[in-house]
Amino acid sequence: GESVGLHLPTLSVQEGDNSIINCAYSNSASDYFIWYKQESGKGPQFIIDIRSNMDKRQGQRVTVLLNKTVKHLSLQIAATQPGDSAVYFCAEAPFGNEKLTFGTGTRLTIIP
Amino acid sequence: SAVISQKPSRDICQRGTSLTIQCQVDSQVTMMFWYRQQPGQSLTLIATANQGSEATYESGFVIDKFPISRPNLTFSTLTVSNLSPEDSSIYLCSVEDRGSSLEQYFGPGTRLTVT
Repeated sequence: GESVGLHLPTLSVQEGDNSIINCAYSNSASDYFIWYKQESGKGPQFIIDIRSNMDKRQGQRVTVLLNKTVKHLSLQIAATQPGDSAVYFCAEAPFGNEKLTFGTGTRLTIIP
Repeated sequence: SAVISQKPSRDICQRGTSLTIQCQVDSQVTMMFWYRQQPGQSLTLIATANQGSEATYESGFVIDKFPISRPNLTFSTLTVSNLSPEDSSIYLCSVEDRGSSLEQYFGPGTRLTVT
């Protein structure tokens, strides 16, 4: 079936550097994409979302890039901080469908 | 965004028993969702719960095993029945933000261990 997956299961980044987390999706009908951050013992926390009619969206220290041609999504975190250490999930939903399909997750570790 | 609470936060249950998990939201929401997150894995949608109608279950999940109630717009319960060790997971509820088309916000989760 359709799936959403991540290229790397773990990523270590020096504090203050920028990090990029990648996500590939296979459902060409995907219309809506979300990035979540999950800290240990907590539920996923909404970070940023993007619709398929956009290729870039920025938030506070985060940027999501969407490349529909190659079905690729990325999350860029600028000037990483120790609090950014967590597991990051991408999720997608087709047009008109609120049911999210989650990727496998990437564990980001910020090295002090 | 909506504030979501879950009870219990964790529990240890014996094989063959059942656990009912409560999800409470601080505002009225139309769509509520229940997810399972097995240890070290991603989230899998169990079912969608709308007030006034029966829950809609995803492939691999059945009502007899995971009965859901949605008595009003701020509350839902998920029961995990006839527990086995394979049911040991984190169970999460989420709600769709009425102010934004598809943003979903999650509760803190219920960590279930079956012995």
